[in-house]
Amino acid sequence: AQSVTQPDIHITVSEGASLELRCNYSYGATPYLFWYVQSPGQGLQLLLKYFSGDTLVQGIKGFEAEFKRSQSSFNLRKPSVHWSDAAEYFCAVGGGTGRRALTFGSGTRLQVQP
Amino acid sequence: GAGVSQSPSNKVTEKGKDVELRCDPISGHTALYWYRQSLGQGLEFLIYFQGNSAPDKSGLPSDRFSAERTGGSVSTLTIQRTQQEDSAVYLCASSSGGAASLYEQYFGPGTRLTVT
Repeated sequence: AQSVTQPDIHITVSEGASLELRCNYSYGATPYLFWYVQSPGQGLQLLLKYFSGDTLVQGIKGFEAEFKRSQSSFNLRKPSVHWSDAAEYFCAVGGGTGRRALTFGSGTRLQVQP
Repeated sequence: GAGVSQSPSNKVTEKGKDVELRCDPISGHTALYWYRQSLGQGLEFLIYFQGNSAPDKSGLPSDRFSAERTGGSVSTLTIQRTQQEDSAVYLCASSSGGAASLYEQYFGPGTRLTVT
């Protein structure tokens, strides 16, 4: 069964600092990988996705993520964090011949200090 | 264009009552999903509809939960005889189908259900 691990429950960064959120997955084949962001009281917004090809993918709001097959990782990065980036971030994996649904990590809550 | 919409945004109900939650997917999306988000369990898959195929109900936690999708568009999730453990945010998502894009899911704002 596929699984997703986000090892950091809570991260605090200063505004303007760089950010990296970690995501590791367990999956038998090449997965489809996603990052979503959720602001308080809101649904999930798709930040970026990886299907195949270039392992560095760009998303909305200045985010990027890199797929590293050898490390089973799909870490999310942003060079300079803005106060409005404070939210919860979810990594998700899908694909294969099993259930046609996404499997989500437990999320990382990002706090941005002024 | 319009995104996924859900109603109501909040629902408070008494234990033992039935509730219906509605989802209106993005126009043209053939796949529709229901997930549940709760503090203890994170984001859990409940049920999946794709076109005219039989739904995948493998994530429904009990037979008190059911869902239907009428005309390949709007979906209703019904919880009968609600229990306090059903309190959660219920999220609906849709996608355009196809091999990879099936998993590119767009979420609605959710319905927060509180069972008292």
